[in-house]
Amino acid sequence: NAGVMQNPRHLVRRRGQEARLRCSPMKGHSHVYWYRQLPEEGLKFMVYLQKENIIDESGMPKERFSAEFPKEGPSILRIQQVVRGDSAAYFCASSPGTGKYEQYFGPGTRLTVT
Amino acid sequence: GESVGLHLPTLSVQEGDNSIINCAYSNSASDYFIWYKQESGKGPQFIIDIRSNMDKRQGQRVTVLLNKTVKHLSLQIAATQPGDSAVYFCADFAGGTSYGKLTFGQGTILTVHP
Repeated sequence: NAGVMQNPRHLVRRRGQEARLRCSPMKGHSHVYWYRQLPEEGLKFMVYLQKENIIDESGMPKERFSAEFPKEGPSILRIQQVVRGDSAAYFCASSPGTGKYEQYFGPGTRLTVT
Repeated sequence: GESVGLHLPTLSVQEGDNSIINCAYSNSASDYFIWYKQESGKGPQFIIDIRSNMDKRQGQRVTVLLNKTVKHLSLQIAATQPGDSAVYFCADFAGGTSYGKLTFGQGTILTVHP
């Protein structure tokens, strides 16, 4: 059983560029979550998605950040016009869905903005 | 508001000792809790979970205790091994309309000396 997959594992962008982070949930999981982790801090919730729906985006910055989980393909976290403060590890998690709430995490994408 | 925090940021133990990692939460509506282990450069790894209708749950070498009266959660690791060295996070769900938002604590660094 493949776990949650994320790519790329490392991403370097210059200020002003766009970053696209991809997440494929575990097989059979229909719920996807994105979290951000700054150095030496805990993870901070960003967004919760189901197929074609955003369920909770209360942790997403109002500008430049967006997320989607299309009917086909991976979930995408998109950061436009990146700034140095966006440098962090971005983790995706998935869960089976209704009635089961445990979340399983991917290896993360480490974004560095230069 | 919601917050999950840890009393001790670091814990050092000898191999073979038992380890206890503590966590306090403030949201009385929290009804589901998870402990994660995070090794350097990796995503959080699910260890064990517990629902608020339980006081104790045991896994392989790990036990989670929940004291709702004082809003306290602990993770006990028996016969700690060097491979247990990692950062440990507790996280909670507040329930409600969305079980998607995990709130993470700061983390405790566990170091196991051989």
